[in-house]
Amino acid sequence: GAVVSQHPSRVICKSGTSVKIECRSLDFQATTMFWYRQFPKQSLMLMATSNEGSKATYEQGVEKDKFLINHASLTLSTLTVTSAHPEDSSFYICSAMSSGAEETGELFFGEGSRLTVL
Amino acid sequence: GNSVTQMEGPVTLSEEAFLTINCTYTATGYPSLFWYVQYPGEGLQLLLKATKADDKGSNKGFEATYRKETTSFHLEKGSVQVSDSAVYFCALSAPGGFKTIFGAGTRLFVKA
Repeated sequence: GAVVSQHPSRVICKSGTSVKIECRSLDFQATTMFWYRQFPKQSLMLMATSNEGSKATYEQGVEKDKFLINHASLTLSTLTVTSAHPEDSSFYICSAMSSGAEETGELFFGEGSRLTVL
Repeated sequence: GNSVTQMEGPVTLSEEAFLTINCTYTATGYPSLFWYVQYPGEGLQLLLKATKADDKGSNKGFEATYRKETTSFHLEKGSVQVSDSAVYFCALSAPGGFKTIFGAGTRLFVKA
């Protein structure tokens, strides 16, 4: 099946620094990737939708300047948490939709990245 | 708008017990329906899916049938194992749409 790889799986950083999380589709081209945030024991909160070669579409309430998303190729999207603060600590998950899967909407998920900001 | 409602957890069962996790949805048109599973510390994995009414998705002993008349997609397994302990998310995706709507998730604990 389709594989999505997310890196790093865990990251600890100091307050005020920036952290980049990568999401790669390993064996398919992903025209659309999604970034979610998941709080403990809660569902996924969609942060933004990223399409290759264009600007990401952010959900209401998500700060664009805080969470920078770049989808530079059909296999890579990155999420950069800028000037991270402790309240940004969370589990971030990406998912990808392969070309041709738009009709069913099936998603392939990365393993998730746990960010801890000290 | 579209929405997904699934039973609250946690659900605690003994090994080999029968599992049902209820899921109902609200959507216009004919969405695709999914069950995703999340094991501790991991991302989500597709467990099964159904793309049209009366379809039955099945995988690893789990089943769910797309019931348009009751707008439901209940997850069932005849005999659960300890390794099935995880969080299960019901989800829908509208045709041609790119935004998947997730339920709140149901945590399942299976005791040996």
